[in-house]
Amino acid sequence: ILNVEQSPQSLHVQEGDSTNFTCSFPSSNFYALHWYRWETAKSPEALFVMTLNGDEKKKGRISATLNTKEGYSYLYIKGSQPEDSATYLCANSGGSNYKLTFGKGTLLTVNP
Amino acid sequence: DTEVTQTPKHLVMGMTNKKSLKCEQHMGHRAMYWYKQKAKKPPELMFVYSYEKLSINESVPSRFSPECPNSSLLNLHLHALQPEDSALYLCASSHDRGRSKPQHFGDGTRLSIL
Repeated sequence: ILNVEQSPQSLHVQEGDSTNFTCSFPSSNFYALHWYRWETAKSPEALFVMTLNGDEKKKGRISATLNTKEGYSYLYIKGSQPEDSATYLCANSGGSNYKLTFGKGTLLTVNP
Repeated sequence: DTEVTQTPKHLVMGMTNKKSLKCEQHMGHRAMYWYKQKAKKPPELMFVYSYEKLSINESVPSRFSPECPNSSLLNLHLHALQPEDSALYLCASSHDRGRSKPQHFGDGTRLSIL
């Protein structure tokens, strides 16, 4: 994997469902993995920054895990609510120039 | 409410116009960023300022000229833009350039070039 890839591209779930999506990144070029939530007409909001293999972070109903050896991170949302509807972006800050490389995002729609 | 303020929210300009985008933060952050985001694409880094000095220019055309007058302000001067430059321009800041520091984004300026 040369770039940051996210799947699925979009996702529709019902209120109350739990869901998860994936971010893949080059394990040979990793420093930190960032997750952002971007609601329509608002600014991207930082959720987590993770650096350690096996790291797990939690913020309310949202949690994330990190596997740096195989180059992936999962974002989990427990009991999805309509207000969770947003695009979830991940970004890798590997490389020598401190640049954040973003994936294309996963668009989550939670239906009431 | 975002802690990074961008103005204007929307801008329509002709290809011969000169305009500026502005970004302001009062969080004491010493790194500031400009990103360009086209529809259905991820944000792409344009410039990074660290301690008010330009540290990264991602080979951006010279019709985009960044300026950091002080630690709280970041401008992007626009001149002779092309229709393909129409996009959402996002400003962000972080405590410093550390790669594990989260970035705080503004709401963006939606730019349309006629």
